[in-house]
Amino acid sequence: DTGVSQDPRHKITKRGQNVTFRCDPISEHNRLYWYRQTLGQGPEFLTYFQNEAQLEKSRLLSDRFSAERPKGSFSTLEIQRTEQGDSAMYLCASTLIRLAGGHSYNEQFFGPGTRLTVL
Amino acid sequence: DQQVKQNSPSLSVQEGRISILNCDYTNSMFDYFLWYKKYPAEGPTFLISISSIKDKNEDGRFTVFLNKSAKHLSLHIVPSQPGDSAVYFCAASVDSNYQLIWGAGTKLIIKP
Repeated sequence: DTGVSQDPRHKITKRGQNVTFRCDPISEHNRLYWYRQTLGQGPEFLTYFQNEAQLEKSRLLSDRFSAERPKGSFSTLEIQRTEQGDSAMYLCASTLIRLAGGHSYNEQFFGPGTRLTVL
Repeated sequence: DQQVKQNSPSLSVQEGRISILNCDYTNSMFDYFLWYKKYPAEGPTFLISISSIKDKNEDGRFTVFLNKSAKHLSLHIVPSQPGDSAVYFCAASVDSNYQLIWGAGTKLIIKP
């Protein structure tokens, strides 16, 4: 399977614990995104990487959240001191930015997500 | 402030008929639009996209129409099939930063 993979698929934790999620993007993709999705809403952007550089972070990403992509391949998202409001689906996506006809194209391919439940 | 809006939470269509899903946006800087499909317990799957330099893009049973003056796009699925039952998300981006802004989704139910 050469798609985006995420691990674990489900995580149940107690409030105050730290959790870490992993994302393995499609190998030739240079951009990697993290999103959060809650019930009845579309995905909300958290952060993205161009290779190993973290280029943008949403204001949703409080100081309890940190993301890394150390070698420009897989990425981790860590949440420290989890709160019940952190319960959500965490989605990872990757893309290879391509240019055609003077426009850039950014079809993002998503992994299956990690569902986090904070008790 | 919701920049991308899908005003219909759900839509029910008879199998074989046309499904039309709508999306409105407010940011005139958006120049790239995408539709994704999502099944329960899976990540969104890319369906079709359109650049602002076009007003129509077609891929098999799926056609996306863009009306820039009305800041409106729609996804047409014809003929609708039972496997099309899913939640459909509209997303948009500004060329310069590639961050996707998403609508809340429309749940499409195809009735046999």
